Amino acid sequence: RKEVEQDPGPFNVPEGATVAFNCTYSNSASQSFFWYRQDCRKEPKLLMSVYSSGNEDGRFTAQLNRASQYISLLIRDSKLSDSATYLCAVNKDNYGQNFVFGPGTRLSVLP
Amino acid sequence: NAGVTQTPKFQVLKTGQSMTLQCAQDMNHEYMSWYRQDPGMGLRLIHYSVGAGITDQGEVPNGYNVSRSTTEDFPLRLLSAAPSQTSVYFCASSYSLGGPSYNSPLHFGNGTRLTVT
Repeated sequence: RKEVEQDPGPFNVPEGATVAFNCTYSNSASQSFFWYRQDCRKEPKLLMSVYSSGNEDGRFTAQLNRASQYISLLIRDSKLSDSATYLCAVNKDNYGQNFVFGPGTRLSVLP
Repeated sequence: NAGVTQTPKFQVLKTGQSMTLQCAQDMNHEYMSWYRQDPGMGLRLIHYSVGAGITDQGEVPNGYNVSRSTTEDFPLRLLSAAPSQTSVYFCASSYSLGGPSYNSPLHFGNGTRLTVT
């Protein structure tokens, strides 16, 4: 099993739709989780952290399920500008900053 | 507020040539790292450093060297370029708490696109 897995997509959704991505991880000792957004030929940019209790930032909601070892990202009221690849990042061990990234899920929001 | 700066943005090398990818950050971050990103493979960690004078290998270190003489700079050296090193290289840094690293995300530079012919 890969350390971090994501459905590569693409997810093609109409504007205004709600879309959700999951990211599964194999290391139960991981403590830090993040979602990044990457536009074509650009660097990954932090979208949001994922807290144990779940967290929301505007139209974006992130959740952590430790029992099943996955994190999720929900995007409500999708905009054309949300079209990008979404990467999840999970730290490799309990202490430390080495992160393993998923391969990314590509989202296309269609007019 | 520059953040993480990488140079060059683009580079073409011939097989066997060597070069250094530069990375500098002005956020006083202790932790710095290099990733490569290939289609379908995601980001893979090459080398990392938790402070000046300390470096360690990541997942794919072969063919690369690093050094960390200052907190700000973390250059990546390709010793003898090979076509398999054609990739996009990202430098990233974060604040290292020295303990549980909750919510210390990585900040990325804008990448170097390297082609080895």
